[in-house]
Amino acid sequence: GQNIDQPTEMTATEGAIVQINCTYQTSGFNGLFWYQQHAGEAPTFLSYNVLDGLEEKGRFSSFLSRSKGYSYLLLKELQMKDSASYLCAVSPNAGNNRKLIWGLGTSLAVNP
Amino acid sequence: DGGITQSPKYLFRKEGQNVTLSCEQNLNHDAMYWYRQDPGQGLRLIYYSQIVNDFQKGDIAEGYSVSREKKESFPLTVTSAQKNPTAFYLCASRLTNSNQPQHFGDGTRLSIL
Repeated sequence: GQNIDQPTEMTATEGAIVQINCTYQTSGFNGLFWYQQHAGEAPTFLSYNVLDGLEEKGRFSSFLSRSKGYSYLLLKELQMKDSASYLCAVSPNAGNNRKLIWGLGTSLAVNP
Repeated sequence: DGGITQSPKYLFRKEGQNVTLSCEQNLNHDAMYWYRQDPGQGLRLIYYSQIVNDFQKGDIAEGYSVSREKKESFPLTVTSAQKNPTAFYLCASRLTNSNQPQHFGDGTRLSIL
């Protein structure tokens, strides 16, 4: 089967750094996406990794290791507005299909 | 501005009624998707479409129907056969010839009266 695992909940302090992990087992791999979803709102795209290594975008970075089936999202200088659910999604195949396999999301609470 | 518009934001349905959720995009995206999200669960794919006049069932298509008569529009009908329709419905779209991500509309929250 195809599976994505993420921690259900995490808590961190304003100004700190937090790492949200995602492990996946899929039939193939053609990229991994991270999305942010605030309560009651739609997911918004954060990052995309298809090659091993770190992608940095401002306060957010995402890392991928294809051999380990592992990714993490790193959030630096946490702000209260970063309290949200973070979704990991994998594209298991190439081409026009691009159905994504979604994790259940990690709910992050940032405390003052 | 380009984007994906879902309407209405809130929708109420009586038992036995069909309801249609609207999804329109002006991003010139080829692929469009419908997801359902329930509390504590991830996004589950209902239907998707890669091109006009073609669509495929996702993982939970029973009780739902779609059409794709125009590139910009991908309406979802929740039929009376869907026994537990109360959920948050999300429409997404993306370019198919690249590694671009799916972009989402603001969602429609459907409730049963």
